[in-house]
Amino acid sequence: QLQESGPGLVRPSETLSLTCSVSGDSITDTSYYWGWIRQPPGKGLEWLGSLLYGGITYYNPSLRSRLSISVDASRTHFSLRLTSVTAADTSIYYCARHKIFGVDSYFDPWGQGTLVTVSS
Amino acid sequence: ELTQPPSLTVSPGQTVSVTCSGDELENKFVCWYQQKPGQSPVLVIYQDSERPSGIPERFSGSISGNTATLTISGTQAVDEADYYCQAWHSTFVVFGGGTKLTVL
Repeated sequence: QLQESGPGLVRPSETLSLTCSVSGDSITDTSYYWGWIRQPPGKGLEWLGSLLYGGITYYNPSLRSRLSISVDASRTHFSLRLTSVTAADTSIYYCARHKIFGVDSYFDPWGQGTLVTVSS
Repeated sequence: ELTQPPSLTVSPGQTVSVTCSGDELENKFVCWYQQKPGQSPVLVIYQDSERPSGIPERFSGSISGNTATLTISGTQAVDEADYYCQAWHSTFVVFGGGTKLTVL
């Protein structure tokens, strides 16, 4: 199971920080990546990035300069940091386990999602 | 970029196909997600045509050339949802724009 947590409201120009708690699975299992996806209200899905424990992290090129994904010291959580947010970053943010193998890729399971609103 | 029809309507009991087109899809695996209102996406097809455990047999997937297709046979009212395709392009994930399926 995955569960997102973090503030529901962030001020413009500030940093959005979210955490995904992983249970029943191990972030250190290098068979899987751990990813973040977001969805503006009423719109489609946008991939943010995916991390492999002890390995590479892939980022959406359009967000790479503002985005950081990391594993917490507890190794039971992984986190997202998005800097200099604007209203366009208002979305439901999901974390998910991400399988990448060759040309194969899919997210399963997903967390329940958390709505983050960027507003003053 | 992956292109999906924005919306489709199907009658209960009928078969519906949702398409997903994109460059070089024939060289990649495509997966599909179902998202009902207020819920997280759920994986219904991976590796073009494989069903995860717990997904009904009426869901199937296929690919021909650069077009992947999700087919729902004997569509039920509970299948009304948004459907998204997704592929991996070497270093980044691409989602289709989503198809809103109405069962009416």
